[in-house]
Order: sequence, then structure tokens, then C-alpha cells
Amino acid sequence: NAGVTQTPKFRILKIGQSMTLQCAQDMNHNYMYWYRQDPGMGLKLIYYSVGAGITDKGEVPNGYNVSRSTTEDFPLRLELAAPSQTSVYFCASRLDSYEQYFGPGTRLTVT
Amino acid sequence: SQKIEQNSEALNIQEGKTATLTCNYTNYSPAYLQWYRQDPGRGPVFLLLIRENEKEKRKERLKVTFDTTLKQSLFHITASQPADSATYLCALDLFSGNTPLVFGKGTRLSVIA
Repeated sequence: NAGVTQTPKFRILKIGQSMTLQCAQDMNHNYMYWYRQDPGMGLKLIYYSVGAGITDKGEVPNGYNVSRSTTEDFPLRLELAAPSQTSVYFCASRLDSYEQYFGPGTRLTVT
Repeated sequence: SQKIEQNSEALNIQEGKTATLTCNYTNYSPAYLQWYRQDPGRGPVFLLLIRENEKEKRKERLKVTFDTTLKQSLFHITASQPADSATYLCALDLFSGNTPLVFGKGTRLSVIA
């Protein structure tokens, strides 16, 4: 199993540009999550999904959108990038109430 | 209001000693509590899970306790090594429908040789 994979690893965006952060898992997990982590800070939940076709907002959803058309994939869309979205983004998945598996992260800079 | 707190932002400890990290919470009733390790620039990695009806869980040099009366979990690393230096996160699993894990901000542990 590859676990949770994220692409790209790094990205620099200009203010106002859009992009999609990709996340995929091959463990048949029902729950998937997107977090952002600013330097020296904790994880903040952006969006999550409890299964294909179902998504819900987390703590900091503004400026982001998600979709979950399959069990495996959970892309995060940034529209009109702003400097405040400079962060490291982690995708995670888990099966019911068990441990959560995190991807390696995407480091995004908006200038 | 609901809060989860890891008491120390940073903890320095001498190699070979036992490191003890604390996770306190208020106004939650978690069914499980989990601990994760995060190295710089990497995603968190799961270490241990303890259920509300378990007092203690061990895995190699790691020990976790869970006191639902005190609303506290303690995470111990015995015979600490410099390789144990990392940030450690606690997370509450409310096991309430589809509620996501609630993560603490983490404690950065440095083990000094």
C-alpha cells in the first residue's frame, strides 16, 4: 500500500491564482481530512469527508473547496489564492475510529 | 467552551531520563485518546490509542495513561534518546457520529545527549 499520497510536494502561487492539491489513499478508508499547519502551530481542520459524495466544513474552510467523488480521492481546491493561505497542507484518512494516516504534506507559498 | 491543551509548548530532557507529556481537556467526553509523533516537515504518525475504559497502555518504551475523572492523559517515554526528539500531539476521538479527531497543539520534545 502507498498509504496517503499528496501532490505536489511544493508549489509557489501568485496572489489570485487557483490550484488543486491532490490527495489519494489506497486503504479503502471512509474518512478523509484536509488540514493546514502554519509554522510552529497546530493542525487546523479545513474540510473533511465521511464517504464518497459527502463533505463538511472544518474550522477554517473559507477560501477552499473540496469534492469526494470516489473513496480514494479527496482534492482540495484553492480559488483566488491569498498570502494568508501560505502554509503546509496535510491530507489524512482513517477507517472508522482507528488511527489516522497522514500524507507527506504540500508546502504552499502565495506571493 | 471545549478545550484541549498540551501543557508545555516545549520540553527539554536529558538522554536516558523519562519524558512525561501532558494532555488535558475540558467539556469533552472522548471515547478514545490517541497520541501522534510529528517530525519537522513531515505529517504526524500514529503512536498509541487508549480507550476510555483503559487506564494504561504500553508499547515498547512508550506508556500512555488516561484518567477520565481528571480529564487528562499522560504520555511517557522511558530511557529517552535523542532520536525521540519531535513534536508529540494528543487527539481526542469523541466517537460521536462522524466527528473528526480533536488535536492538541503539540509539545516539542528535545532529548539532549
